[in-house]
Amino acid sequence: NAGVTQTPKFQVLKTGQSMTLQCAQDMNHEYMSWYRQDPGMGLRLIHYSVGAGITDQGEVPNGYNVSRSTTEDFPLRLLSAAPSQTSVYFCASRETPGILYGYTFGSGTRLTVV
Amino acid sequence: DAKTTQPNSMESNEEEPVHLPCNHSTISGTDYIHWYRQLPSQGPEYVIHGLTSNVNNRMASLAIAEDRKSSTLILHRATLRDAAVYYCILSTGNTPLVFGKGTRLSVIA
Repeated sequence: NAGVTQTPKFQVLKTGQSMTLQCAQDMNHEYMSWYRQDPGMGLRLIHYSVGAGITDQGEVPNGYNVSRSTTEDFPLRLLSAAPSQTSVYFCASRETPGILYGYTFGSGTRLTVV
Repeated sequence: DAKTTQPNSMESNEEEPVHLPCNHSTISGTDYIHWYRQLPSQGPEYVIHGLTSNVNNRMASLAIAEDRKSSTLILHRATLRDAAVYYCILSTGNTPLVFGKGTRLSVIA
């Protein structure tokens, strides 16, 4: 049982490049979310999913795409990276109905856009 | 989303209890009170949650005011490992967590 696995752990991109941040969980959790955390700030919600085939926008969705084709995976795509997307990205998952349990977070992907 | 208000920072001596307050005056009847903490350079970690009654687990206790407009996270004996940012979050359980700025807890040896 690995929990929530995020890859890569570190990434440097040039402005305009695209990439996909991977998030996988092996707990059969329905709810998954992506957050970004800028230096010295709290986490901000980018996108979330309540199950396979269902996604919705969070507080800061612009510049990011997501899809949820399986329960296990919830990739986050940056179509054209910008320096403003330099941040640490966290993925989280939770069982549903989820009131009885908290979210499990991954260890994060540190992204730098130059 | 309902809002919470927490002090920006708090300080505690090691091996003493810590009471971290959270105000949520606009809480709705279906909002659960969640606490998460984030250790340096790590992802957030679930601590505890509750609805109306006080809750205890191996990490902490959650004391909820009778009118539910405030709550307190209690660490019974702070250790250096408890130094972190603590987030108080309201959620119905059917919506994702929305984080505020939290309280940065420093623990002094």
